Order: sequence, then C-alpha cells, then structure tokens
Amino acid sequence: GAGVSQTPSNKVTEKGKYVELRCDPISGHTALYWYRQSLGQGPEFLIYFQGTGAADDSGLPNDRFFAVRPEGSVSTLKIQRTERGDSAVYLCASSLIGTSAYEQYFGPGTRLTVT
Amino acid sequence: GENVEQHPSTLSVQEGDSAVIKCTYSDSASNYFPWYKQELGKRPQLIIDIRSNVGEKKDQRIAVTLNKTAKHFSLHITETQPEDSAVYFCAASNNQAGTALIFGKGTTLSVSS
Repeated sequence: GAGVSQTPSNKVTEKGKYVELRCDPISGHTALYWYRQSLGQGPEFLIYFQGTGAADDSGLPNDRFFAVRPEGSVSTLKIQRTERGDSAVYLCASSLIGTSAYEQYFGPGTRLTVT
Repeated sequence: GENVEQHPSTLSVQEGDSAVIKCTYSDSASNYFPWYKQELGKRPQLIIDIRSNVGEKKDQRIAVTLNKTAKHFSLHITETQPEDSAVYFCAASNNQAGTALIFGKGTTLSVSS
C-alpha cells in the first residue's frame, strides 16, 4: 500500500512568513508524529497525535509551531513568523496502535529553507 | 527525559567485513529500540527493532542485541555490501500508546568494494 506522503517536498520562504506542511499517513494508522531533522542530526520529536487530538506536544520548540489533525488522518504542521533557525527537514511518521503497534514509518520529509 | 548516545559517528569497512554500531540509553523505562537506515536525501527506513523482553533479534545479515542491565543495544551487520552505505540511527522509546522515539545522532557507514 501507499506509504506516508508529505507535501511540499521543498519549501523556501522568507524570514517572518507563515508556512504549512502537510502529512498524509498510511491508511488506517491512528498515530501520527512530527519530527524535525537538522543536518547531521537524528530526527527530533515535535508532536504526536492519537486520532484527532495531540497526545504529546512537548517537543514543539515554541508557540510559533502548531499542528492539527482535524479528521484523524491528514495533519498539517504550521509555523508562524519563520526564523532562519527553523530551516530543517520536517519528517512525518505514522503507526498503528495495538499489539504490534510500535513501528513508526516515515514520510520523505519537507525540506524547509528560511532565507 | 530519555537520552540516546550513539557510537561511532563514522565507520568505514571493506566489503564483506562486519560492522557494529553501539547505542546507550538513560531511561530504564524504555522498552522499544528500533534502528533506521537513511540514505542521502531519503526518508529513514526501519530495518530492525527489538523489544525489552528479548535479548537478541536477527534478520538475515542484520542483528540487534539488547542489554537492559547495562542500558545499551547494538546493531550488527555481517557480510557488508556497498549498498549498506548509509547513515544508521538508533532510537529508544517508552512505548505506551505510541510515544516519541528519541534518536541517537547517527553513524555514517561507508562500505568500500
């Protein structure tokens, strides 16, 4: 079946602008995660959704970052007043919740560049 | 919170040799330990994982070992091939109802033919 997809694949924006990044999880996966990966680093957790609700948003760096998942499927990560330090690859992952529920499968990421 | 350390940061081996990557974690409550392979510009791909109720798991040329007492786990790749060249990440989580993965900083593996 189709894997996790993310759009856009690349986004260049000017400092101070607003951006939205989209994630389509694997069909039937109830858990959705956002991570951020800077060059030469491992993915860093941002937020986790179980269904429509944010079950853990402890990784969001500040209140400029916000994410939604209104229907329990597609999620959008929103960044306000972007800063150059926000430049990174934003990865989305999804998983089932159940007896074999641990595996997280990643999308290809959105490379965000803030100029 | 959890902290995952990964070593070495780079590893170069000849084709056919074995490669070992080691990780340590700090939170004794962690119970799930996946390994991801990431090729340049690509998504992280899950290659193997281990849960805290087993000490070793093997899948063809790849194996993972876990020592809960010492809080460390390792990835072993045997008979390495050039296509094994990539960045490998270990991760840990306390996986109750889908919690976050905490990643190491990665190991760049280069396999030369």
